[in-house]
Amino acid sequence: SAVISQKPSRDICQRGTSLTIQCQVDSQVTMMFWYRQQPGQSLTLIATANQGSEATYESGFVIDKFPISRPNLTFSTLTVSNMSPEDSSIYLCSVDRVNGYTFGSGTRLTVV
Amino acid sequence: GQQLNQSPQSMFIQEGEDVSMNCTSSSIFNTWLWYKQEPGEGPVLLIALYKAGELTSNGRLTAQFGITRKDSFLNISASIPSDVGIYFCAGQPQVGGTASKLTFGTGTRLQVTL
Repeated sequence: SAVISQKPSRDICQRGTSLTIQCQVDSQVTMMFWYRQQPGQSLTLIATANQGSEATYESGFVIDKFPISRPNLTFSTLTVSNMSPEDSSIYLCSVDRVNGYTFGSGTRLTVV
Repeated sequence: GQQLNQSPQSMFIQEGEDVSMNCTSSSIFNTWLWYKQEPGEGPVLLIALYKAGELTSNGRLTAQFGITRKDSFLNISASIPSDVGIYFCAGQPQVGGTASKLTFGTGTRLQVTL
């Protein structure tokens, strides 16, 4: 299965600032997915990122808040903009495989 | 939207006991996946199911794809301390393949005591 590297692994940020999370995959993939996992909760899909096109956002998530880049087939970034304490979560990237999805180890974000 | 309910929410069991958990959906899925998440890590795929009625094993883990396509079950036999974690089911509307979103269950937190 694909190896996914995410960074940073964790960060503590001031409210009002932005954080960009990077996701690097060791092989080319068509789609990359970004998830949010709020404390003690399940995973919720934020958006799907295709190379060369705008990301597709799920209901409740907007591009201004969570801009995504997908410059090539092995890399994507998710930015959490104008952060508030409610954005404190684990953010995970994932790639699709025929036999299931592989996840990065996540970025644990705390907004103070 | 689709929701996947898992039960139980949490379990405290003794080492050596068997564990059963299930996942139910309000709509049909054509692929069911079971993941385990440990602290500080992303979910790791345990078992994938693609056919209604299918029973698949991975070591001490056995999962079944419900006949109605609206549920799935995961069993762990002879639990050991390293089984501790959160187990998530996930459904996909199409059979395997790519370009299909996952919907995650609410999770079952498993604690194993010696």
